[in-house]
Amino acid sequence: AQRVTQPEKLLSVFKGAPVELKCNYSYSGSPELFWYVQYSRQRLQLLLRHISRESIKGFTADLNKGETSFHLKKPFAQEEDSAMYYCALQGGSEKLVFGKGTKLTVNP
Amino acid sequence: EAEVAQSPRYKITEKSQAVAFWCDPISGHATLYWYRQILGQGPELLVQFQDESVVDDSQLPKDRFSAERLKGVDSTLKIQPAELGDSAMYLCASRQRQGRRETQYFGPGTRLLVL
Repeated sequence: AQRVTQPEKLLSVFKGAPVELKCNYSYSGSPELFWYVQYSRQRLQLLLRHISRESIKGFTADLNKGETSFHLKKPFAQEEDSAMYYCALQGGSEKLVFGKGTKLTVNP
Repeated sequence: EAEVAQSPRYKITEKSQAVAFWCDPISGHATLYWYRQILGQGPELLVQFQDESVVDDSQLPKDRFSAERLKGVDSTLKIQPAELGDSAMYLCASRQRQGRRETQYFGPGTRLLVL
């Protein structure tokens, strides 16, 4: 079964502080992992995918197959990073399975 | 920049009534998805189309939900009769083609409230 767990429903940090949003997954094969973001009053959009190994808006995420994790990190949070973040897994069927999301608030 | 369009944006209905949502994917996108997002949860796939064919509708409650994409372009999701538990955000997404490397683009969603 495919399952994505985001243990933190809410995460609050101060501007300039490091931020880490946790994501753990369950899948027997080789999944593709994604982070989607939804800013206030905007549509859900792709932030990054593990296979691209890129940094988007200062965010990075590393796939750790041993720990089955795909945590999202940013060294210095900005107020504009405040949003809902969803971790998602795509298995062999191409179906996206989402976690419940983490609401990040970056305080000034 | 092309975007996925959905209408209506909001819908309030009474239980046992019929409701329908419309989605227009990005032009040229062959794959179309309908998701349901209950408050406090992540989106869950209801149905996936490849052109006009259903690829996956395993999570679609077929006794009351139906989806079609007759010409392989826009799509309609219908609920009849609506139940209180159907209150949720209904999201449409599209992708250019099948394949794990392709990105899904989401529409703004239709928020349904069943009274």
